[in-house]
Amino acid sequence: EAQVTQNPRYLITVTGKKLTVTCSQNMNHEYMSWYRQDPGLGLRQIYYSMNVEVTDKGDVPEGYKVSRKEKRNFPLILESPSPNQTSLYFCASRQGLAGGPYEQYFGPGTRLTVT
Amino acid sequence: GQSLEQPSEVTAVEGAIVQINCTYQTSGFYGLSWYQQHDGGAPTFLSYNALDGLEETGRFSSFLSRSDSYGYLLLQELQMKDSASYFCAVLADRGSTLGRLYFGRGTQLTVWP
Repeated sequence: EAQVTQNPRYLITVTGKKLTVTCSQNMNHEYMSWYRQDPGLGLRQIYYSMNVEVTDKGDVPEGYKVSRKEKRNFPLILESPSPNQTSLYFCASRQGLAGGPYEQYFGPGTRLTVT
Repeated sequence: GQSLEQPSEVTAVEGAIVQINCTYQTSGFYGLSWYQQHDGGAPTFLSYNALDGLEETGRFSSFLSRSDSYGYLLLQELQMKDSASYFCAVLADRGSTLGRLYFGRGTQLTVWP
């Protein structure tokens, strides 16, 4: 089954305690990205990756890091979480533009609370 | 930069037809997508338009006019389960072979019995 998995699904942590949210896809997609979703603000892209070892900043990258050491995995790292990073996070993947398909697959989401 | 505008809320009754509009400003436009998201769930893909015109998939249709930088999602024979948020998203290449997907803020559709 084609899917994007994320872990953990729920996380409550304290300010400053480093955490990693894992993301994995089984569709051999080149493109992976992370979004955060906050009420009324839609989906805002944090970071994206076009291939192994190729990552770039999205619209709200401050306070986050990513890595892409393998094609299937794209972890999101919060080195020193702060309360303003409390949000719902989605990992996503899709194929490139050449020939499509252009459907983007999303993981189930990680609800993060930073106290 | 990229910007997308869509209404924040739409309400309708079961069995009705509703249209959710999306206007966009972008460079390197490649196509317009629509995603559905139920409360607490992941967004799921509904449709993609690269060329002008109407694409129909069951009760849902999506329209694109590239010259007007405008598109809409049409939902027919509304059902209670269609209550969800709907996001338009522009795929723009900006010189990249993989492109980037930019999302609007979403339209909350409420279907009443």
